[in-house]
Amino acid sequence: DTAVSQTPKYLVTQMGNDKSIKCEQNLGHDTMYWYKQDSKKFLKIMFSYNNKELIINETVPNRFSPKSPDKAHLNLHINSLELGDSAVYFCASSQAPGNQPQHFGDGTRLSIL
Amino acid sequence: TQLLEQSPQFLSIQEGENLTVYCNSSSVFSSLQWYRQEPGEGPVLLVTVVTGGEVKKLKRLTFQFGDARKDSSLHITAAQPGDTGLYLCAGARAGGFKTIFGAGTRLFVKA
Repeated sequence: DTAVSQTPKYLVTQMGNDKSIKCEQNLGHDTMYWYKQDSKKFLKIMFSYNNKELIINETVPNRFSPKSPDKAHLNLHINSLELGDSAVYFCASSQAPGNQPQHFGDGTRLSIL
Repeated sequence: TQLLEQSPQFLSIQEGENLTVYCNSSSVFSSLQWYRQEPGEGPVLLVTVVTGGEVKKLKRLTFQFGDARKDSSLHITAAQPGDTGLYLCAGARAGGFKTIFGAGTRLFVKA
């Protein structure tokens, strides 16, 4: 009965590969997010969707493409992975956009070899 | 420069001590949240402060929102090893849409 679940928890892959991370929330929230947390633990917003519509698109390489098939799911596809993509990626959700409390998944630890 | 500056960045104390961590900005925020993140997990919401000057208590944790809604503090009384973690403040600027996170304070409480 996990509120925000993301898979996989660990992802180790070679540079240049394409990979996807999936996220699902069962809280009935309208808004979902992808964050990147670097080695210094700084948490930076990448994307946000509200009711399947993209509302926040930060300056990230266009190798990163989010997709929201419905408001309970937000996936992240990454093309041509680079060493600098190594980080922990967190999915989160909130009832609405804006300054709302967010519920986070446990993260996907991506390591690029 | 971080929009939300947290201090100290790192704090190591003995069990039973008191501590305060700070979250400061030059911008006004409509509200601020405090989260705690433990290793291998995502951040977990502790509290939201909304009104300038507001004080909220959560057991041994006391949260305060500055009168001008530009800063916040978290005070822990009689810290315990279970308080160990990364404490993050976050908020959206007044009239803004995007939640911004501070860089966090890493707290280690020794038994």
